[in-house]
Amino acid sequence: QKEVEQNSGPLSVPEGAIASLNCTYSDRGSQSFFWYRQYSGKSPELIMFIYSNGDKEDGRFTAQLNKASQYVSLLIRDSQPSDSATYLCAVNALKTSYDKVIFGPGTSLSVIP
Amino acid sequence: DVKVTQSSRYLVKRTGEKVFLECVQDMDHENMFWYRQDPGLGLRLIYFSYDVKMKEKGDIPEGYSVSREKKERFSLILESASTNQTSMYLCASRAGGHRQFGPGTRLTVL
Repeated sequence: QKEVEQNSGPLSVPEGAIASLNCTYSDRGSQSFFWYRQYSGKSPELIMFIYSNGDKEDGRFTAQLNKASQYVSLLIRDSQPSDSATYLCAVNALKTSYDKVIFGPGTSLSVIP
Repeated sequence: DVKVTQSSRYLVKRTGEKVFLECVQDMDHENMFWYRQDPGLGLRLIYFSYDVKMKEKGDIPEGYSVSREKKERFSLILESASTNQTSMYLCASRAGGHRQFGPGTRLTVL
């Protein structure tokens, strides 16, 4: 089992709809979770992070954690064509002696005008 | 804002050449990282550094080495480039608990 898994997509949603991106992780002790957005040919940029103590909302973005099922989701409300990108989920692993962040392979999102 | 810069956006090298990829961050961060990113494989950690002159192997260190002589600068070295090292190389600095990435270097080895 891979440590962080995501559906590769592509996920297509119409403009204005809610896009729902999911990520599962294997390390039950993980306590920090990150969502990065990566446009084609660019480097990843952090858009959301949450800790194990709760969900978080920031503008059109909401990150939710389900610890029992070991998955974290990112909801994008009122999706815009500019949201079209690959979204990387990342998890801070605690089973190592250093601060290790493990990245998922990413989900490609396409918002159709 | 933390700024992470990389010396080249695009690089083309020949098999067997020694290749240097440079990364500089301007926020006095102690931890710096080198990743490569390939389609279907995601981001994989090559090497990282806790501090000046300190380095640790990541998940795929074979064929690479690193140098950190100054806190702000972390270099990735391909001792003898091979075609399977064609990839996007991303440098990152630790910003809080997450990674702040540089713009990336697209390396092609012919």
